[in-house]
Amino acid sequence: GAGVSQSPRYKVAKRGQDVALRCDPISGHVSLFWYQQALGQGPEFLTYFQNEAQLDKSGLPSDRFFAERPEGSVSTLKIQRTQQEDSAVYLCASSLGLGNTDTQYFGPGTRLTVL
Amino acid sequence: AQSVTQLGSHVSVSEGALVLLRCNYSSSVPPYLFWYVQYPNQGLQLLLKYTSAATLVKGINGFEAEFKKSETSFHLTKPSAHMSDAAEYFCAVSAFTSGTYKYIFGTGTRLKVLA
Repeated sequence: GAGVSQSPRYKVAKRGQDVALRCDPISGHVSLFWYQQALGQGPEFLTYFQNEAQLDKSGLPSDRFFAERPEGSVSTLKIQRTQQEDSAVYLCASSLGLGNTDTQYFGPGTRLTVL
Repeated sequence: AQSVTQLGSHVSVSEGALVLLRCNYSSSVPPYLFWYVQYPNQGLQLLLKYTSAATLVKGINGFEAEFKKSETSFHLTKPSAHMSDAAEYFCAVSAFTSGTYKYIFGTGTRLKVLA
């Protein structure tokens, strides 16, 4: 596709359930980012991949959060034993290169609601 | 640490009036700055970016921003607001932390355009 896609667009989970959120970046983009956007806030960095390597996971809020990009394209963000505070929009972004001036292209997000 | 501050969580302007959305940055190194727009239930779309070339940056949809080092500002302007400009706007700085580059976003400004 032409842009970054994410699925599902909406996810409702009961507290304690595990969820998996998928991101399809723009083809050929080396860098992939995950952000968490709470209601009324700006996106906050979670983790970064360069191809299949997860180089930065400093933003993951707890060890319940896990991300992977095994073949350097599609990425999955997994949240185990979901809690109410995990309710947010999860945004995926990709960029062509590695540098600080690269434009990040964002997907539409997955809105997670934990009941 | 690098950061951005957006003054005014909500801004209302009349259709045809000047749009001014404020962003101030904090950075010990030359910053790379971005403005993104987010429409309801959509991902973030890049409006423009500053990468240390011209201080006046022109973007899409008639928006522009001026980098002012002396004021540590990167305010977004548009001469004449259109109803379709109603959205949330985010300022971001590209920050190098934990060995990688990522965006640090402001908390956003919701623009309302009055008929």
